Amino acid sequence: EADIYQTPRYLVIGTGKKITLECSQTMGHDKMYWYQQDPGMELHLIHYSYGVNSTEKGDLSSESTVSRIRTEHFPLTLESARPSHTSQYLCASGFGGHNQPQHFGDGTRLSIL
Amino acid sequence: DQQVKQNSPSLSVQEGRISILNCDYTNSMFDYFLWYKKYPAEGPTFLISISSIKDKNEDGRFTVFLNKSAKHLSLHIVPSQPGDSAVYFCAASARTGFQKLVFGTGTRLLVSP
Repeated sequence: EADIYQTPRYLVIGTGKKITLECSQTMGHDKMYWYQQDPGMELHLIHYSYGVNSTEKGDLSSESTVSRIRTEHFPLTLESARPSHTSQYLCASGFGGHNQPQHFGDGTRLSIL
Repeated sequence: DQQVKQNSPSLSVQEGRISILNCDYTNSMFDYFLWYKKYPAEGPTFLISISSIKDKNEDGRFTVFLNKSAKHLSLHIVPSQPGDSAVYFCAASARTGFQKLVFGTGTRLLVSP
């Protein structure tokens, strides 16, 4: 069973607030990812990381930023939340090789009022 | 343009019967395919995968079939159980680049007793 944890699970917050979504994994995976998913839609990659001090933007443009200072930790930050940021955010991790699955956390459901 | 398509948003099956979930892809560079299962309020859970060098992979009640010429894969669940009721996502990746996963929009499976 994959050990990847996201907090908070749910967050309802007002416009303009700074938000940090936490993601930690205990499997020693090099690669970590953030996806965004709206109801009934596919998962869209918004950020990924090859390893410590590596961060890249994904396919879906996002106003969020990420950091990777430690292997196990990959937080996502929104400096000023807007209603358009309302969505589910899923963190995943995996080993570096091809033909390796990604393992997901349970997600954070974010609602911006 | 969606590169991975799951054209059936939902599927209902009786307990004990076979469930067949379908997925089509358009990118000929994809060479690794995965199925994830997602329960409400949880993250996707890796179920089974297949490399393009194979046309079938089996794990217990779950079998994935790959038809490269048709760019089609399917997940068979035999026998289906009520606990299999969930949303199933198909995903694919290519060896080139970051090997990111591209997801379909999911199929909701309901297995009734």
